[in-house]
Amino acid sequence: DVKVTQSSRYLVKRTGEKVFLECVQDMDHENMFWYRQDPGLGLRLIYFSYDVKMKEKGDIPEGYSVSREKKERFSLILESASTNQTSMYLCASSLSGGDTEAFFGQGTRLTVV
Amino acid sequence: QKEVEQDPGPLSVPEGAIVSLNCTYSNSAFQYFMWYRQYSRKGPELLMYTYSSGNKEDGRFTAQVDKSSKYISLFIRDSQPSDSATYLCASCPGWGGGNKLTFGTGTQLKVEL
Repeated sequence: DVKVTQSSRYLVKRTGEKVFLECVQDMDHENMFWYRQDPGLGLRLIYFSYDVKMKEKGDIPEGYSVSREKKERFSLILESASTNQTSMYLCASSLSGGDTEAFFGQGTRLTVV
Repeated sequence: QKEVEQDPGPLSVPEGAIVSLNCTYSNSAFQYFMWYRQYSRKGPELLMYTYSSGNKEDGRFTAQVDKSSKYISLFIRDSQPSDSATYLCASCPGWGGGNKLTFGTGTQLKVEL
Protein backbone atom coordinates (compact mmCIF):
# COMPACT_ATOMS: atom_id res chain seq x y z
CA ASP A 1 0.00 0.00 0.00
CA VAL A 2 1.21 3.45 -0.96
CA LYS A 3 2.42 5.44 1.96
CA VAL A 4 3.56 9.00 2.61
CA THR A 5 4.22 9.58 6.29
CA GLN A 6 4.61 12.92 7.98
CA SER A 7 6.38 12.82 11.31
CA SER A 8 3.86 14.84 13.32
CA ARG A 9 0.11 15.43 13.08
CA TYR A 10 0.14 18.46 15.36
CA LEU A 11 2.94 20.82 16.36
CA VAL A 12 3.01 23.95 18.48
CA LYS A 13 6.13 26.11 18.23
CA ARG A 14 7.17 29.51 19.46
CA THR A 15 7.94 32.51 17.26
CA GLY A 16 11.58 32.51 16.21
CA GLU A 17 12.12 28.77 16.68
CA LYS A 18 13.67 26.67 13.93
CA VAL A 19 11.13 24.05 12.90
CA PHE A 20 11.67 20.81 11.01
CA LEU A 21 8.82 18.98 9.28
CA GLU A 22 9.75 15.51 8.08
CA CYS A 23 8.20 13.45 5.31
CA VAL A 24 9.03 9.89 4.31
CA GLN A 25 7.67 7.89 1.37
CA ASP A 26 8.08 4.18 0.81
CA MET A 27 7.22 4.05 -2.89
CA ASP A 28 10.64 4.85 -4.39
CA HIS A 29 9.20 8.03 -5.92
CA GLU A 30 11.53 10.52 -7.56
CA ASN A 31 9.41 13.60 -6.89
CA MET A 32 8.43 15.04 -3.55
CA PHE A 33 6.48 18.18 -2.74
CA TRP A 34 5.63 20.42 0.20
CA TYR A 35 2.34 22.34 0.18
CA ARG A 36 0.61 24.48 2.74
CA GLN A 37 -3.18 24.58 2.96
CA ASP A 38 -5.06 27.58 4.28
CA PRO A 39 -8.81 28.34 4.33
CA GLY A 40 -9.83 30.32 1.28
CA LEU A 41 -6.43 29.86 -0.35
CA GLY A 42 -6.32 26.13 -1.03
CA LEU A 43 -3.06 24.25 -1.47
CA ARG A 44 -0.03 26.30 -2.39
CA LEU A 45 3.29 24.79 -3.42
CA ILE A 46 6.24 25.75 -1.23
CA TYR A 47 9.08 23.62 -2.67
CA PHE A 48 9.49 20.48 -4.67
CA SER A 49 12.32 18.08 -5.39
CA TYR A 50 12.69 15.82 -8.42
CA ASP A 51 15.80 14.01 -7.26
CA VAL A 52 18.07 13.60 -4.27
CA LYS A 53 19.79 16.90 -3.40
CA MET A 54 17.73 18.69 -6.07
CA LYS A 55 15.11 21.27 -5.20
CA GLU A 56 13.06 23.95 -6.88
CA LYS A 57 11.06 26.82 -5.44
CA GLY A 58 7.34 26.67 -5.66
CA ASP A 59 4.92 29.57 -5.47
CA ILE A 60 5.55 30.63 -1.86
CA PRO A 61 9.12 29.67 -0.82
CA GLU A 62 9.83 32.73 1.34
CA GLY A 63 10.65 31.81 4.93
CA TYR A 64 11.17 28.13 4.10
CA SER A 65 13.98 25.86 3.02
CA VAL A 66 14.12 22.15 2.22
CA SER A 67 16.51 19.26 2.40
CA ARG A 68 16.57 15.98 0.49
CA GLU A 69 19.61 13.90 1.40
CA LYS A 70 17.92 10.55 0.71
CA LYS A 71 15.39 9.62 -1.94
CA GLU A 72 12.70 8.64 0.55
CA ARG A 73 12.93 11.67 2.84
CA PHE A 74 12.06 15.33 2.22
CA SER A 75 12.30 17.85 5.04
CA LEU A 76 10.75 21.29 5.25
CA ILE A 77 12.56 23.80 7.45
CA LEU A 78 11.18 26.98 8.90
CA GLU A 79 14.35 28.90 9.73
CA SER A 80 12.62 31.29 12.16
CA ALA A 81 8.98 30.47 12.65
CA SER A 82 6.47 33.30 12.51
CA THR A 83 2.76 33.40 13.32
CA ASN A 84 1.84 33.75 9.64
CA GLN A 85 3.32 30.29 9.08
CA THR A 86 0.56 28.76 11.18
CA SER A 87 -1.02 26.38 8.69
CA MET A 88 -1.64 22.81 7.57
CA TYR A 89 1.43 21.43 5.81
CA LEU A 90 1.05 18.60 3.32
CA CYS A 91 3.77 16.48 1.81
CA ALA A 92 3.26 14.58 -1.47
CA SER A 93 5.27 12.28 -3.70
CA SER A 94 4.99 10.93 -7.22
CA LEU A 95 6.88 9.05 -9.90
CA SER A 96 8.51 10.93 -12.74
CA GLY A 97 7.12 10.79 -16.24
CA GLY A 98 4.02 9.24 -17.70
CA ASP A 99 0.64 9.14 -16.04
CA THR A 100 1.50 9.46 -12.40
CA GLU A 101 -0.51 10.42 -9.38
CA ALA A 102 0.63 12.58 -6.48
CA PHE A 103 0.11 10.79 -3.14
CA PHE A 104 -0.34 12.92 -0.07
CA GLY A 105 0.53 12.44 3.57
CA GLN A 106 -1.93 13.07 6.40
CA GLY A 107 -0.72 16.58 7.00
CA THR A 108 0.93 18.42 9.90
CA ARG A 109 -1.05 21.16 11.58
CA LEU A 110 1.52 23.67 12.77
CA THR A 111 0.63 26.44 15.19
CA VAL A 112 3.19 29.17 15.83
CA VAL A 113 2.52 31.15 19.01
CA GLN B 1 -6.38 36.43 -10.43
CA LYS B 2 -5.87 32.87 -9.24
CA GLU B 3 -5.09 30.40 -12.01
CA VAL B 4 -7.77 28.00 -10.75
CA GLU B 5 -10.93 29.40 -9.17
CA GLN B 6 -13.35 27.31 -7.16
CA ASP B 7 -16.39 28.20 -5.08
CA PRO B 8 -15.52 27.25 -1.49
CA GLY B 9 -19.09 26.45 -0.48
CA PRO B 10 -20.09 24.98 1.88
CA LEU B 11 -22.59 23.01 -0.17
CA SER B 12 -25.23 20.99 1.64
CA VAL B 13 -27.44 18.48 -0.23
CA PRO B 14 -29.82 15.69 0.76
CA GLU B 15 -28.81 12.08 0.30
CA GLY B 16 -29.51 10.88 -3.24
CA ALA B 17 -29.13 14.31 -4.84
CA ILE B 18 -27.01 15.00 -7.90
CA VAL B 19 -24.09 17.23 -6.98
CA SER B 20 -22.32 19.55 -9.37
CA LEU B 21 -18.92 20.96 -8.41
CA ASN B 22 -17.22 23.47 -10.67
CA CYS B 23 -13.94 25.24 -11.30
CA THR B 24 -12.67 27.70 -13.83
CA TYR B 25 -9.06 28.17 -14.88
CA SER B 26 -7.14 30.84 -16.73
CA ASN B 27 -3.92 29.15 -17.89
CA SER B 28 -4.33 27.98 -21.50
CA ALA B 29 -1.34 25.68 -21.08
CA PHE B 30 -3.23 23.41 -18.68
CA GLN B 31 -3.84 20.03 -20.28
CA TYR B 32 -4.57 17.73 -17.34
CA PHE B 33 -7.37 18.24 -14.88
CA MET B 34 -7.78 16.39 -11.61
CA TRP B 35 -10.28 16.12 -8.81
CA TYR B 36 -8.99 15.28 -5.34
CA ARG B 37 -11.17 14.39 -2.37
CA GLN B 38 -10.09 15.33 1.13
CA TYR B 39 -11.80 14.00 4.22
CA SER B 40 -11.53 15.94 7.44
CA ARG B 41 -8.07 15.67 9.03
CA LYS B 42 -6.74 13.62 6.08
CA GLY B 43 -4.55 14.33 3.07
CA PRO B 44 -6.13 14.69 -0.40
CA GLU B 45 -6.65 11.56 -2.52
CA LEU B 46 -6.95 11.51 -6.29
CA LEU B 47 -10.54 10.86 -7.35
CA MET B 48 -10.41 11.32 -11.12
CA TYR B 49 -8.39 12.92 -13.84
CA THR B 50 -9.09 13.89 -17.44
CA TYR B 51 -6.89 14.95 -20.31
CA SER B 52 -7.92 17.92 -22.42
CA SER B 53 -11.64 18.37 -23.16
CA GLY B 54 -14.20 15.65 -22.67
CA ASN B 55 -15.94 13.48 -20.13
CA LYS B 56 -14.76 10.66 -17.93
CA GLU B 57 -17.02 8.46 -15.86
CA ASP B 58 -16.19 6.26 -12.88
CA GLY B 59 -19.16 4.78 -11.06
CA ARG B 60 -21.22 7.60 -9.58
CA PHE B 61 -18.64 10.22 -10.54
CA THR B 62 -18.31 12.06 -13.86
CA ALA B 63 -15.56 14.56 -14.62
CA GLN B 64 -16.06 17.02 -17.44
CA VAL B 65 -13.70 19.53 -19.02
CA ASP B 66 -14.59 22.23 -21.54
CA LYS B 67 -11.35 23.83 -22.68
CA SER B 68 -13.11 26.36 -24.87
CA SER B 69 -14.70 27.94 -21.80
CA LYS B 70 -11.95 26.85 -19.37
CA TYR B 71 -14.52 25.12 -17.20
CA ILE B 72 -14.02 21.97 -15.07
CA SER B 73 -16.89 20.05 -13.50
CA LEU B 74 -17.40 17.05 -11.25
CA PHE B 75 -20.83 15.44 -11.02
CA ILE B 76 -21.77 13.04 -8.25
CA ARG B 77 -24.90 10.96 -8.78
CA ASP B 78 -26.92 9.42 -5.95
CA SER B 79 -24.84 11.26 -3.38
CA GLN B 80 -24.14 9.48 -0.09
CA PRO B 81 -23.20 10.76 3.39
CA SER B 82 -19.80 9.15 2.79
CA ASP B 83 -19.26 11.66 -0.03
CA SER B 84 -19.12 14.45 2.56
CA ALA B 85 -15.64 15.91 2.11
CA THR B 86 -13.77 18.79 0.54
CA TYR B 87 -13.31 18.45 -3.22
CA LEU B 88 -10.29 20.08 -4.79
CA CYS B 89 -9.84 20.65 -8.49
CA ALA B 90 -6.29 20.84 -9.82
CA SER B 91 -4.62 21.38 -13.17
CA CYS B 92 -1.18 21.18 -14.73
CA PRO B 93 0.34 21.64 -18.18
CA GLY B 94 1.53 18.05 -18.36
CA TRP B 95 0.91 14.92 -16.38
CA GLY B 96 3.68 13.49 -14.34
CA GLY B 97 5.48 14.04 -11.12
CA GLY B 98 7.62 16.88 -12.33
CA ASN B 99 4.64 18.97 -13.26
CA LYS B 100 3.44 21.20 -10.49
CA LEU B 101 -0.24 20.98 -9.74
CA THR B 102 -2.21 24.21 -9.31
CA PHE B 103 -5.13 23.71 -6.95
CA GLY B 104 -8.43 25.48 -6.47
CA THR B 105 -9.42 26.46 -2.95
CA GLY B 106 -11.68 23.41 -2.53
CA THR B 107 -15.46 23.07 -2.12
CA GLN B 108 -16.75 21.65 1.14
CA LEU B 109 -19.63 19.24 0.51
CA LYS B 110 -22.02 17.85 3.11
CA VAL B 111 -24.51 15.14 2.17
CA GLU B 112 -27.25 14.91 4.78
CA LEU B 113 -29.47 11.95 5.63
